[in-house]
Amino acid sequence: GEDVEQSLFLSVREGDSSVINCTYTDSSSTYLYWYKQEPGAGLQLLTYIFSNMDMKQDQRLTVLLNKKDKHLSLRIADTQTGDSAIYFCAESRGSTLGRLYFGRGTQLTVWP
Amino acid sequence: NAGVTQTPKFQVLKTGQSMTLQCAQDMNHNSMYWYRQDPGMGLRLIYYSASEGTTDKGEVPNGYNVSRLNKREFSLRLESAAPSQTSVYFCASIRQGNSPLHFGNGTRLTVT
Repeated sequence: GEDVEQSLFLSVREGDSSVINCTYTDSSSTYLYWYKQEPGAGLQLLTYIFSNMDMKQDQRLTVLLNKKDKHLSLRIADTQTGDSAIYFCAESRGSTLGRLYFGRGTQLTVWP
Repeated sequence: NAGVTQTPKFQVLKTGQSMTLQCAQDMNHNSMYWYRQDPGMGLRLIYYSASEGTTDKGEVPNGYNVSRLNKREFSLRLESAAPSQTSVYFCASIRQGNSPLHFGNGTRLTVT
């Protein structure tokens, strides 16, 4: 099947900004999502963006969407050790909104 | 509200055994989903139920069956477990329209 691609690892120092990148596959995707998963836990929705938007900001989180390049990014400002987790990018395709296609996840490690 | 509740949290099966994973949501959501997560992978859709009384296959349905018992409950059955079904299983639900997917905390299944 078609793949959603993410880099697997990112390390940053506490207080720096983190940028997690994702490329998706379907130019007709309706929504694009960022989920956070802490060890042994389920997936927590961080934010999502509708495909007709370029940017969405929510407190420390900024999502940028480049539809032409099918590129999505998540910027976390002032990264904290509690932000250490796996971050998944996901896209919805077609009319079944809960049918998501996930990347493999980016392991974010924040060093004090 | 509990959100999406999955039982059991952990399960160990021998090859060939059967079991049913239970999922219930109390958010009056219309659609429910079963995903599996394998190490180093994103989530992949097994089956979904867009509305009460309907079920459809996802990306990886082989070896599984589902039942949408009522609007609240969506179960996943393994008739004859295989080691390849060792995984973490997530149930999720969504309202129709512009709303995010809500996940349960997962069932960690090991098949020996």
